[in-house]
Amino acid sequence: DAGITQSPRYKITETGRQVTLMCHQTWSHSYMFWYRQDLGHGLRLIYYSAAADITDKGEVPDGYVVSRSKTENFPLTLESATRSQTSVYFCASRAGTGLGRPLHFGNGTRLTVT
Amino acid sequence: AQTVTQSQPEMSVQEAETVTLSCTYDTSESDYYLFWYKQPPSRQMILVIRQEAYKQQNATENRFSVNFQKAAKSFSLKISDSQLGDAAMYFCAWAGTALIFGKGTTLSVSS
Repeated sequence: DAGITQSPRYKITETGRQVTLMCHQTWSHSYMFWYRQDLGHGLRLIYYSAAADITDKGEVPDGYVVSRSKTENFPLTLESATRSQTSVYFCASRAGTGLGRPLHFGNGTRLTVT
Repeated sequence: AQTVTQSQPEMSVQEAETVTLSCTYDTSESDYYLFWYKQPPSRQMILVIRQEAYKQQNATENRFSVNFQKAAKSFSLKISDSQLGDAAMYFCAWAGTALIFGKGTTLSVSS
């Protein structure tokens, strides 16, 4: 099915471990985004990408690494997970640069760092 | 930097009644878009409505409408004839390269 999928849906990991959250979209949208959602903070932008091999920091990039070797994939890696990174993570995509184009979101990954 | 403020963490409404969710924003841009997204307990992010700042006419989508006051930088969402399925968290967002979100308003609907 066409769309944007995130995996896993739930993940529990330990402090200090590396974990990668996957995001895949089938629309060939140029823009992709990673947000984290925390109670009392809404959604905050971690990283975004305008095209393959082009990434840029958002509001809260520390502790995260992204890559985009292919247009359809945009994985997010926590190199050494901390408890403060316990959150719900959303991947989103958008076709082109038009500001009026809505973001299409995946269903999120709930990450718990113990 | 752009900011989006939702001053009502929680709101409640009775079925069939009308409720208005508030949103204010700050930007120095002259043309931009604003969005409202709905997030039910399933966690899915659903686009409710969008407004282009260039257009003076308020956007409407069925029971959902906005009151866009550009000079006041206000973008409220009105839900008419509220239904149980409207219960969700609602996010206001300003569109730049990425969306800048407010902290959200949790809407509960009672029968």
